[in-house]
Amino acid sequence: EIVLTQSPGTLALSPGERATLSCRASQTVSTSYLAWYQQKPGQAPRLLMYGAFARATGIPDRFSGSGSRTDFTLTISGLEPEDFAMYYCHQFGGAFGQGTRVEIK
Amino acid sequence: QVQLVQSGAEVKPPGASVKVSCKASGDIDNNYDISWVRQAPGQGLEWMGWISTNNGNTKYAQKFQGRITITTDTSTTTAYMELRSLRSDDTAVYYCARVSGFWSGRYYYFMDVWGKGTTVTVSS
Repeated sequence: EIVLTQSPGTLALSPGERATLSCRASQTVSTSYLAWYQQKPGQAPRLLMYGAFARATGIPDRFSGSGSRTDFTLTISGLEPEDFAMYYCHQFGGAFGQGTRVEIK
Repeated sequence: QVQLVQSGAEVKPPGASVKVSCKASGDIDNNYDISWVRQAPGQGLEWMGWISTNNGNTKYAQKFQGRITITTDTSTTTAYMELRSLRSDDTAVYYCARVSGFWSGRYYYFMDVWGKGTTVTVSS
């Protein structure tokens, strides 16, 4: 089974700063199966990105995805207050990464 | 717009089974896939399995093989997840999610609509 490892575990940043979240796979992952989800406390996850690069409906363009094979990145170009949350990468049909918490510095 | 409405919270003793439902409503067609994901208290997300309502095919995470069954009733657009032989570490919020997929040179799959979750507590 493919293991996804996210880093860092916690990212402490200020509003307006750039966030770079990493997701590393133990084996090659198809980019078309790689998605990113955002989750806030007490809420269900929300789809941010699919196919590694494509933003889901309604997701602002400050969110972008990149990567291939075993290394994927979610970038938030300028953090808004509502972006402070947990972020998970996921290979459809397999495991989630353990998550990165983006918190206010 | 598609909505997924899940059944209410459950409390079960160890060794029992639980069956959680997930009703799809809104702008759905006859072919939709449903995944189940759970989250233990203070922990991350865990993918459990997937069913295609088109043909009834299922795929389960290896961890749950033999203990989980995912089914659908297309007449009521409801999906079900049954987990058997419950243990205390099965205490979690269980989410259903619609799986969207399309072909564009290769298949894309992702979970784009989520239910609000069902809390299952396993306790004697």
